[in-house]
Amino acid sequence: ETGVTQTPRHLVMGMTNKKSLKCEQHLGHNAMYWYKQSAKKPLELMFVYNFKEQTENNSVPSRFSPECPNSSHLFLHLHTLQPEDSALYLCASSQGFEWETQYFGPGTRLTVL
Amino acid sequence: DQQVKQNSPSLSVQEGRISILNCDYTNSMFDYFLWYKKYPAEGPTFLISISSIKDKNEDGRFTVFLNKSAKHLSLHIVPSQPGDSAVYFCAANQFYFGTGTSLTVIP
Repeated sequence: ETGVTQTPRHLVMGMTNKKSLKCEQHLGHNAMYWYKQSAKKPLELMFVYNFKEQTENNSVPSRFSPECPNSSHLFLHLHTLQPEDSALYLCASSQGFEWETQYFGPGTRLTVL
Repeated sequence: DQQVKQNSPSLSVQEGRISILNCDYTNSMFDYFLWYKKYPAEGPTFLISISSIKDKNEDGRFTVFLNKSAKHLSLHIVPSQPGDSAVYFCAANQFYFGTGTSLTVIP
């Protein structure tokens, strides 16, 4: 595997379910990110991890819980989501943190019923 | 409030002609701009960038122009090819993205 991978690619869940999104980067990068892309809206930065430490939480509701066990893996744990949370969730990584090009995974298309 | 705006949701261009994609921003503190390209079912991929100390950056068929006084940047693709058909995102200071412009290059 190369680049940034995300699993699952599609997820349908009920509002009472608990699920997790997984991201893995094979680029040796030190920073990883979660973004949300809703229809007709720009990509919204959710969380930033730099050297496994969370450095940014962009006012994201607590029903989204990130986890970064090492610099190659990033998870987004989901619980009691709302239908408006349905969106494309993109993971990205970069070598450093400032003025860096990001490498994106293909995304997880999430539908909350 | 949206700090990076791409006001044209879509653009169609004939193969071989120039494609011009536009982006406006509101925050004068932005000093680094990037363009990403996204194909369906794939994540965005980096295309070209420019820092605020320059007003032009060129990479093959792709050129980005920056007009700081107007808070405007544009991406020029010359000549356009059918494989360029994708959604193009403008981004500022790494984390602030526009909504994207869907480019269709007609053979």
